[in-house]
Amino acid sequence: EAQVTQNPRYLITVTGKKLTVTCSQNMNHEYMSWYRQDPGLGLRQIYYSMNVEVTDKGDVPEGYKVSRKEKRNFPLILESPSPNQTSLYFCASSPHRARPFDNEQFFGPGTRLTVL
Amino acid sequence: GIQVEQSPPDLILQEGANSTLRCNFSDSVNNLQWFHQNPWGQLINLFYIPSGTKQNGRLSATTVATERYSLLYISSSQTTDSGVYFCAVSWSLQLTFGKGTKLSVIP
Repeated sequence: EAQVTQNPRYLITVTGKKLTVTCSQNMNHEYMSWYRQDPGLGLRQIYYSMNVEVTDKGDVPEGYKVSRKEKRNFPLILESPSPNQTSLYFCASSPHRARPFDNEQFFGPGTRLTVL
Repeated sequence: GIQVEQSPPDLILQEGANSTLRCNFSDSVNNLQWFHQNPWGQLINLFYIPSGTKQNGRLSATTVATERYSLLYISSSQTTDSGVYFCAVSWSLQLTFGKGTKLSVIP
């Protein structure tokens, strides 16, 4: 089954404790991205990647890191989480790096993160 | 960056009613998509529609790119239509979402 998976689905952590949210897709997609969703703000793009070893900042990259060492995986890293990073996070993938939004985007199920 | 505004922010409908959701955007875009987020948080792509009109069952969408707006029509609404509807516009390699319209369909 074609899908985007995220782990963990729920996480409660404390300020400053490094964490990684994994994202994996099994569709051989080139384009992957991370979003955060906050009440009343919609989804905002954090980082995106056009291909292996190619990543770029979205609208709200501060406090986050990403890597793309393999085509299927795109982990989101919070080196020192803070309470303002409490949010619902979505990973998404799309087949074509040149025009990623001309096709259906596949979204993961979301990761609800709480930073105390 | 591009601004995306959706209206209304909240909408309550009786089952069977029709509705129109609007999305305005501030600049030229490559593409426009509509998404539905169900009450369990799952995001579903409904349409990608840079211009013109598309229909899928009870849902249809129209984008008038020259006037920078898009409309999503829901006919004969059902309780399963409840959730948040997002409009998102793409420019370059980024996607910008509006804040959404929260739709509640009551029996």
